[in-house]
Amino acid sequence: DAGVTQSPTHLIKTRGQQVTLRCSPISGHKSVSWYQQVLGQGPQFIFQYYEKEERGRGNFPDRFSARQFPNYSSELNVNALLLGDSALYLCASSSGQANSPLHFGNGTRLTVT
Amino acid sequence: AQSVTQPDIHITVSEGASLELRCNYSYGATPYLFWYVQSPGQGLQLLLKYFSGDTLVQGIKGFEAEFKRSQSSFNLRKPSVHWSDAAEYFCAVGGMDSSYKLIFGSGTRLLVRP
Repeated sequence: DAGVTQSPTHLIKTRGQQVTLRCSPISGHKSVSWYQQVLGQGPQFIFQYYEKEERGRGNFPDRFSARQFPNYSSELNVNALLLGDSALYLCASSSGQANSPLHFGNGTRLTVT
Repeated sequence: AQSVTQPDIHITVSEGASLELRCNYSYGATPYLFWYVQSPGQGLQLLLKYFSGDTLVQGIKGFEAEFKRSQSSFNLRKPSVHWSDAAEYFCAVGGMDSSYKLIFGSGTRLLVRP
């Protein structure tokens, strides 16, 4: 079975630009979560979506937004990019049940210059 | 405040030696605890999880972890390390109502000497 897939794998953007990252969950998983991992740190929670609705949001500015589609895939959008947005963006999927673990993709490495 | 502390930034062990990675957490409710491993340029792979029940949990690749509520700890152990275990290890905590919203530690990088 395919795991969580993310695209693109790498991305270079300029300050002020906008970026869209994509994620396809494991088949049968209805929940998608997004995490930001800055170099040298652990991942930080950004969003969770379940059945196309936002269930949770971390401490990130409104420049960050996301959505989930009927096929449960998801997009993360970041507007007005800052140098500090440079990070590995990880998508994780789960069944959405209370005790179901997160399964992570390999991430999208975003570099903002 | 909810947090996870991994006090060791780097650990170096010889191949075949035993390993223990430390993790302490602070969480207001009943914690769900996880260990993930990350190889360079890769995402996170789940090693093991604790939700309830037996406080000693077995995971993949020969890893185990022990939940000690009195010490707020969830240390990861392996009796004999292989060179392929070299990676970054992350401890994380979540809750029953927010198992998707994990709080991660800052990680421990494991180096394995031949």
